[in-house]
Amino acid sequence: AQSVTQPDIHITVSEGASLELRCNYSYGATPYLFWYVQSPGQGLQLLLKYFSGDTLVQGIKGFEAEFKRSQSSFNLRKPSVHWSDAAEYFCAVENQAGTALIFGKGTTLSVSS
Amino acid sequence: EADIYQTPRYLVIGTGKKITLECSQTMGHDKMYWYQQDPGMELHLIHYSYGVNSTEKGDLSSESTVSRIRTEHFPLTLESARPSHTSQYLCASSEGPGDYGYTFGSGTRLTVV
Repeated sequence: AQSVTQPDIHITVSEGASLELRCNYSYGATPYLFWYVQSPGQGLQLLLKYFSGDTLVQGIKGFEAEFKRSQSSFNLRKPSVHWSDAAEYFCAVENQAGTALIFGKGTTLSVSS
Repeated sequence: EADIYQTPRYLVIGTGKKITLECSQTMGHDKMYWYQQDPGMELHLIHYSYGVNSTEKGDLSSESTVSRIRTEHFPLTLESARPSHTSQYLCASSEGPGDYGYTFGSGTRLTVV
């Protein structure tokens, strides 16, 4: 069965430091991959997506992600974290049937001053 | 600015009550979804719809039901609420195939006492 794994449950990063959130997926063909962010009490906001082409994709709020087929990974990065980036981040892949997204369990990001 | 609206945002209700969670979108999207989200867990798809009069059950078994009489409206109903239904329910819509991504509402946090 398809799955998405986010190995880090909680990460704390100093403000201004770089960030990398890990995501691994299981999928046979070229996947549609997504990163979403959820602030407390809010719904999910799309940060970026990958479905073909350049393996490095740019998103909103200064985030980027790199698709690595050989590693089945789609890690999210940001060169300099701001306190407002503290939130929960979800990686997702579209299921093989194309009917819905499968989500990981999320990574909670805390930003220290 | 949200184009998909969920009401109520918070609901505390007694066991055995019938409840309807509302979801409306103004984007004209054909595809709509309901996800259930528990703390520290991945989002689980419970229902989806590809258009008017089309509804399907998702991966997670749920005692809830949905209807899609109008494109913009996708309500979720629990005939008899139980404490096990306590969760956050997120509604989403999509313009087309997977590469478009989903737009999420702010969610309804349901507590059944």
